[in-house]
This record gives sequence, C-alpha cells and structure tokens, in this order.
Amino acid sequence: QQQVKQSPQSLIVQKGGISIINCAYENTAFDYFPWYQQFPGKGPALLIAIRPDVSEKKEGRFTISFNKSAKQFSLHIMDSQPGDSATYFCAASRRSGGSNYKLTFGKGTLLTVNP
Amino acid sequence: NAGVTQTPKFQVLKTGQSMTLQCAQDMNHNSMYWYRQDPGMGLRLIYYSASEGTTDKGEVPNGYNVSRLNKREFSLRLESAAPSQTSVYFCASKDRLYNSNQPQHFGDGTRLSIL
Repeated sequence: QQQVKQSPQSLIVQKGGISIINCAYENTAFDYFPWYQQFPGKGPALLIAIRPDVSEKKEGRFTISFNKSAKQFSLHIMDSQPGDSATYFCAASRRSGGSNYKLTFGKGTLLTVNP
Repeated sequence: NAGVTQTPKFQVLKTGQSMTLQCAQDMNHNSMYWYRQDPGMGLRLIYYSASEGTTDKGEVPNGYNVSRLNKREFSLRLESAAPSQTSVYFCASKDRLYNSNQPQHFGDGTRLSIL
C-alpha cells in the first residue's frame, strides 16, 4: 500500500522554465511534508519542508504548495537551472509505533533541466 | 563536519555470504535509520533505532538484522545474502526523538551487488 504517490516519474524542462512535481497522500495523520533532493552517487538531502497548517512555503526558487483538503502537495522550481537536475522525493512523516517519527517516501521524480 | 558516514561505499557479494554495513554519525543524533533504494521504488525503511539500545522493524526488514552499537553507530547485517538484496543502502540520522520537524540526514550510501 503506497501511502505517498508522486508524479511524474520523470520530467524534462528547459532552462528558465518551471518544474512542477506533485504528491498525494491518504493518511491524515501525516503532519510534516519534506522534499528531498538527490544527486547521482549521493544521499538525499532536505530541500524544503512544510507543515499542514501552512498553504505555501517559499525558499528562494523553491516553493511548496499544500492543499490539506485535497491531501496534495507540490514542489515548484522557478527559473529551473541545469544544476537542479536531480531526483526529487516527496515524503510525509507521522508519529508511529510510540514516540518516533518515520518518513514515508514517494517513489521519486527524475528532473532533467536542459541548457 | 562528516555528518553520516557509511562504509563500505561499494561491495559485491556471492549469494549466501554474510556482510555488515557500517554507519556512524557525528551529530549527536538520537535516531538512526536504514533504508534501501531500488529503481522506481523510492526509499524503503528497513530498520530504525529511536534511541541507543532500541531497534524496530520498518517496512522491509526480512533478511536483515541491525545493531545500535552506541549513540554514534548503527550497523546493518545481511546474514545470508540473496540477489533480491542487491540495492543501494542508505543510513540516516535525526535529532530530537519527539519532534517530527527535524530533517533526516543521509549518508552517501553503500552500493551492494549480490551475484
């Protein structure tokens, strides 16, 4: 049972364009929604995160839009650059099995930004 | 500042061999995690340790064992490797046990091939 669904699997964008990656979740107990960025040969690194009491969060060229009623959230990368080419994972976190918080990841989106 | 260090970076095993993947973090984090990453599958949690002295199963624990040696170190053992365990393994750590807003910090992975 996939708890966080991510789309698209891959995305090609021209330099300067807007990259949009979407995620949907089912469990309303999720209370923290981070996005991770992963370059080839490296581990994922936190890019930006949002809590469900906020509808939008912006950090530089990266923006998370959150729709609590639709149980959806998305990552927008403005003015996409070739250096943004990476795999992006959305995730959701909830308190589970006691006091620890575990992340559930989407399957990832491979973003390619052409120069 | 090393962060999360995983050893080895690459390994090739034969079916039935055993191996231990090592992970150490220098951020004084309480929680540590082991994930596997397979193409198109995202990151799946194998085991986690909420704090020193405790370990719990994640989503895909079969065929693995773990040891939280101390606060810094968390190892993953394959007792009898199978080709289905060919994957990239990531260790992660997180600060505050009771707070979901803390990001997980990942190592750069161990690429394991089982023939």
